[in-house]
Amino acid sequence: GQNIDQPTEMTATEGAIVQINCTYQTSGFNGLFWYQQHAGEAPTFLSYNVLDGLEEKGRFSSFLSRSKGYSYLLLKELQMKDSASYLCAPRGDSSYKLIFGSGTRLLVRP
Amino acid sequence: ETGVTQTPRHLVMGMTNKKSLKCEQHLGHNAMYWYKQSAKKPLELMFVYNFKEQTENNSVPSRFSPECPNSSHLFLHLHTLQPEDSALYLCASSQDLFSGRANEQFFGPGTRLTVL
Repeated sequence: GQNIDQPTEMTATEGAIVQINCTYQTSGFNGLFWYQQHAGEAPTFLSYNVLDGLEEKGRFSSFLSRSKGYSYLLLKELQMKDSASYLCAPRGDSSYKLIFGSGTRLLVRP
Repeated sequence: ETGVTQTPRHLVMGMTNKKSLKCEQHLGHNAMYWYKQSAKKPLELMFVYNFKEQTENNSVPSRFSPECPNSSHLFLHLHTLQPEDSALYLCASSQDLFSGRANEQFFGPGTRLTVL
């Protein structure tokens, strides 16, 4: 079967660094996405990994290990506006079908 | 208007009502999607359209009926819904279904549906 596992909730302090882990089991693999979703709003694209390694984009970085079925999203210099849900979504056999986890709700405190 | 828009943003309906959700994308994309997001559950893919043709129906009950008149517009027609259908319904679009690279999906803000 297909399964995505990420922590339900995390709390961190403004200015700190937080790492949100995601493990996945999919039938086939065609890349992994991270999306950010503020309450009541649309998910917005953060990152895409298809090869092993780290992709850095400003304060956000995403890592992938295909052999371990593992990814993480690293958020640096946390800001209050980073309080949101973070969705891990690998793409399986299909070139378009994303398999979403339940998301990790991150709370950034002053 | 830019990106993906959805109307209405909120909808309350009775189980015997008929209503429609509308999605419009201004990105020149060819693929459009309907997702359901229930509280504390992952996003569930419902329907996929590519160049106006339905390519995916993810075992969705017939009380949900999609329509895609052109590549920019997607509708979800609702009738005789159940209270458990209350959820956030999200529309998304992507360039198409088979381009390489990321081909990320762009989401609309969703319609918060409550079925009484």
